[in-house]
Amino acid sequence: KQEVTQIPAALSVPEGENLVLNCSFTDSAIYNLQWFRQDPGKGLTSLLLIQSSQREQTSGRLNASLDKSSGRSTLYIAASQPGDSATYLCAVVRDSNYQLIWGAGTKLIIKP
Amino acid sequence: DAEITQSPRHKITETGRQVTLACHQTWNHNNMFWYRQDLGHGLRLIHYSYGVQDTNKGEVSDGYSVSRSNTEDLPLTLESAASSQTSVYFCASSEMYEQYFGPGTRLTVT
Repeated sequence: KQEVTQIPAALSVPEGENLVLNCSFTDSAIYNLQWFRQDPGKGLTSLLLIQSSQREQTSGRLNASLDKSSGRSTLYIAASQPGDSATYLCAVVRDSNYQLIWGAGTKLIIKP
Repeated sequence: DAEITQSPRHKITETGRQVTLACHQTWNHNNMFWYRQDLGHGLRLIHYSYGVQDTNKGEVSDGYSVSRSNTEDLPLTLESAASSQTSVYFCASSEMYEQYFGPGTRLTVT
């Protein structure tokens, strides 16, 4: 059974720092991995989607990497800003059925 | 702009009542999903649909039902609401793998 883990559950860093969020999964046979952002009381916003054949994806200050063999993905946030404060979730698609298997998320706080 | 909407945004109901949560998307996506989000459990899949007249059970489908009569809508019905169904409910849609989420419905069952 595929399990997705995100450690740490919470992270607080000063503004301007570069940071890395971690996501691990137990079964390397995945179709893709997605990173989402969730603001308090709101829905989820897709940040990056990495296909299983890709090693990384970039969007602005965000860079997500994927290492299927080790069952790991990282989300790198450069030059963090208070507006980056949110909960970040990763999810994997196990096969062609489009269903996501979710991590519990990392709550990120960027201190001004 | 295309979007996905949910209504109501907040709902309080009593144990035993039937409740329907609406989900409407204008992306013209074939795939639609319902999740619930609870502290300590993360997001869990309730039901999903790959197209009109297609519905499938997810991880936590007991006590819930869905129907898909058109592309745009996938209403979620709680047949007889229970306190254990107090949660935040999210609807999502996708054409392929990237899912787009609605703003959520906070449901309280008293």
